Amino acid sequence: SQQGEEDPQALSIQEGENATMNCSYKTSINNLQWYRQNSGRGLVHLILIRSNEREKHSGRLRVTLDTSKKSSSLLITASRAADTASYFCATVTQGGSEKLVFGKGTKLTVNP
Amino acid sequence: DAGVIQSPRHEVTEMGQEVTLRCKPISGHNSLFWYRQTMMRGLELLIYFNNNVPIDDSGMPEDRFSAKMPNASFSTLKIQPSEPRDSAVYFCASSRIVGPNTGELFFGEGSRLTVL
Repeated sequence: SQQGEEDPQALSIQEGENATMNCSYKTSINNLQWYRQNSGRGLVHLILIRSNEREKHSGRLRVTLDTSKKSSSLLITASRAADTASYFCATVTQGGSEKLVFGKGTKLTVNP
Repeated sequence: DAGVIQSPRHEVTEMGQEVTLRCKPISGHNSLFWYRQTMMRGLELLIYFNNNVPIDDSGMPEDRFSAKMPNASFSTLKIQPSEPRDSAVYFCASSRIVGPNTGELFFGEGSRLTVL
């Protein structure tokens, strides 16, 4: 069963705009990861944030984590058409097994 | 590095046939995961191995599914007999770090299975 739930399910924006995707999860975590999937391809890791971190940056990506609200957000700034993809959050549950459990993803469309 | 290699990329078969999906993880990675992706259920973890040993197979749907990892560079996922509801994209992923802070997973391109 899914641990993380992404919101919104789909997002359509214009090139140059920022895109924000949210992830909520149910149980305490050790870390949370974001992945990207282009249509017909495998998932690609974007960023990992640990439970004791609140914010992390990687290029145009900014991830925040609020463990009190059990939520995370992924911000893509100055979006490009090439950012069109599905984005997934995945969690490693604290005190549980080592497995990574994925949400159902947000489908992002960036219009040129 | 060649990345995680999966074969076949596409498989179309008839109900009742045996299906074998193959995966070669990245050299040096000691953990391997099999996921299944469908529109309805998203990405589901079927089974994962650590140092070639199955650790958690609680996601394997039923006895028709079996997975093996005979050595560090090869794994198979077998479905026998296959059913139309098994139609999905099956992903293999490998990782160097598995534990309380399981790290980045590297995914293959997937095997798209269609069971008629």
